[in-house]
Amino acid sequence: AQTVTQSQPEMSVQEAETVTLSCTYDTSESDYYLFWYKQPPSRQMILVIRQEAYKQQNATENRFSVNFQKAAKSFSLKISDSQLGDAAMYFCALGTGYALNFGKGTSLLVTP
Amino acid sequence: GAGVSQTPSNKVTEKGKYVELRCDPISGHTALYWYRQSLGQGPEFLIYFQGTGAADDSGLPNDRFFAVRPEGSVSTLKIQRTERGDSAVYLCASSLRTGGINTEAFFGQGTRLTVV
Repeated sequence: AQTVTQSQPEMSVQEAETVTLSCTYDTSESDYYLFWYKQPPSRQMILVIRQEAYKQQNATENRFSVNFQKAAKSFSLKISDSQLGDAAMYFCALGTGYALNFGKGTSLLVTP
Repeated sequence: GAGVSQTPSNKVTEKGKYVELRCDPISGHTALYWYRQSLGQGPEFLIYFQGTGAADDSGLPNDRFFAVRPEGSVSTLKIQRTERGDSAVYLCASSLRTGGINTEAFFGQGTRLTVV
């Protein structure tokens, strides 16, 4: 069975500061992908960043980067220079086939 | 269309009624998925289509739920004898080709179903 755990229901960050969202997962598969999705109030899930498990190098996308610790089964998201538009629910997801397994999400509040 | 389109955006129905939720995927996307997102939870997988056929319907909670994709494009999720526990946001996603884990899935804005 695949599980994804996000232990932070809510996080807060000041504009221009850096915040890290935590995610741990469990799978017996050797080939998998990890994702972070953003869900604003519009409800649409938007892909932020993804990491292939076989790659040791951490993925980065502009202000977003991950810290992928495969042995520890940890996959955290770092948001640098936070902007008001980053406020949303963030979901960590594990993909081992075609379906995604999502965590419960972290609500990110960005304060001016 | 440019993105995945889901209609209606919101649906309120009475307990015991039948509902249909529609998903129009991105043109050319052969893989289509339905997920259900209950309040305070992440999305949960319901069903996966590759073309016209349901390749995996293991996530459907019971036989009141059924989904079709007759022409390999638009999909309809059908719920019979709705119950209050069916209230959730139903998300649809589509992706290119076989929809393997390395293929980005694009999500619609979901249908919020409320059963009263």
